[in-house]
Amino acid sequence: DAGITQSPRHKVTETGTPVTLRCHQTENHRYMYWYRQDPGHGLRLIHYSYGVKDTDKGEVSDGYSVSRSKTEDFLLTLESATSSQTSVYFCAIRGAQGARNTEAFFGQGTRLTVV
Amino acid sequence: EDQVTQSPEALRLQEGESSSLNCSYTVSGLRGLFWYRQDPGKGPEFLFTLYSAGEEKEKERLKATLTKKESFLHITAPKPEDSATYLCAHSGAGSYQLTFGKGTKLSVIP
Repeated sequence: DAGITQSPRHKVTETGTPVTLRCHQTENHRYMYWYRQDPGHGLRLIHYSYGVKDTDKGEVSDGYSVSRSKTEDFLLTLESATSSQTSVYFCAIRGAQGARNTEAFFGQGTRLTVV
Repeated sequence: EDQVTQSPEALRLQEGESSSLNCSYTVSGLRGLFWYRQDPGKGPEFLFTLYSAGEEKEKERLKATLTKKESFLHITAPKPEDSATYLCAHSGAGSYQLTFGKGTKLSVIP
């Protein structure tokens, strides 16, 4: 299994509070991703990183921010949690890409409930 | 716009009844077509990567194939343990992203 650890695995938080999810990798992969997965929508990209301090927005980035200060850690912050952010969040990592892009490997997910 | 469409949304098979899952895609310059399996409560598990039309990959009862517009995941003589959601994704030229379809939920009945 790829060395990816997400924490926490489960969290319940109140509307309006900030929340930070952590993704830690031991593979030294360049690319890291945060997805959310909701019934009927599949996996949707929130933010991704293509290197230390290099990040960009994905399809559903509103209300989220990210940071990557070192290769192994990618943090996702919900600045002020809302009920619509109740979801399962997955981190993924991928090695260097060239003419062919390599596959991504996923963590076990964080189930977040905003009440 | 890059898109991935999977069909059917759900598929019920009897044990031993072979079938195929479809993944239709549009992308500017395919750099990889990926298949994943996802069990309830777990993260997607990588199965196959395909890069060129005509390419095929096999693993146990699963075989993935690729054309210029579609990929198929063929399941031969499935067993109940093959029950899962199967996800298709692609990556295009100049993009760091993987774009996923919504998946096909496969149920194999004993």
